[in-house]
Amino acid sequence: LAKTTQPISMDSYEGQEVNITCSHNNIATNDYITWYQQFPSQGPRFIIQGYKTKVTNEVASLFIPADRKSSTLSLPRVSLSDTAVYYCLVPNAGNNRKLIWGLGTSLAVNP
Amino acid sequence: ETGVTQTPRHLVMGMTNKKSLKCEQHLGHNAMYWYKQSAKKPLELMFVYSLEERVENNSVPSRFSPECPNSSHLFLHLHTLQPEDSALYLCASSQESMNTEAFFGQGTRLTVV
Repeated sequence: LAKTTQPISMDSYEGQEVNITCSHNNIATNDYITWYQQFPSQGPRFIIQGYKTKVTNEVASLFIPADRKSSTLSLPRVSLSDTAVYYCLVPNAGNNRKLIWGLGTSLAVNP
Repeated sequence: ETGVTQTPRHLVMGMTNKKSLKCEQHLGHNAMYWYKQSAKKPLELMFVYSLEERVENNSVPSRFSPECPNSSHLFLHLHTLQPEDSALYLCASSQESMNTEAFFGQGTRLTVV
């Protein structure tokens, strides 16, 4: 099984940049790293996905070092509405390529 | 609005009841999924449908019975549930089976009493 490790929780303040790092030591050569966001009592929402170096969209940036054993989701200038759980996902190894969900990182943005 | 709609949003049922959860996607996707999310636990993949054919059943008890009449609709039929089945049930869809970008509905909060 692919395994990811990320902090259980983080605290931040409005206007700060938040970086959430995830380790995925056993990621396969061709696998992408995917991040989702989930608000309470809602379904997860896809944020960003990347394979290497840096990916940026209107919501976040994703930094992936050359060895791809970790990745960092960067949220610029967070607001209260960014309080959510953030999941880092990589596909399961082998023929079954399903995403394995962990408990994610619970981010609390304070005023 | 994700393009995936689940009804009802909340459901309370007794252990002897029969109920169904409904999911509809307006995205033209070929794959649909049922997930279960219990408190303090990761999302658990229950069923996967690809082009209306069930391609995965992750050892889910038979009291949960999925149905996919077409690629836009997915149902989860519930009967004789247990209190530990209380959870948030999420439906998702993706362009193809096991795509890493999936679109989730808002879920049905199920309470079994």
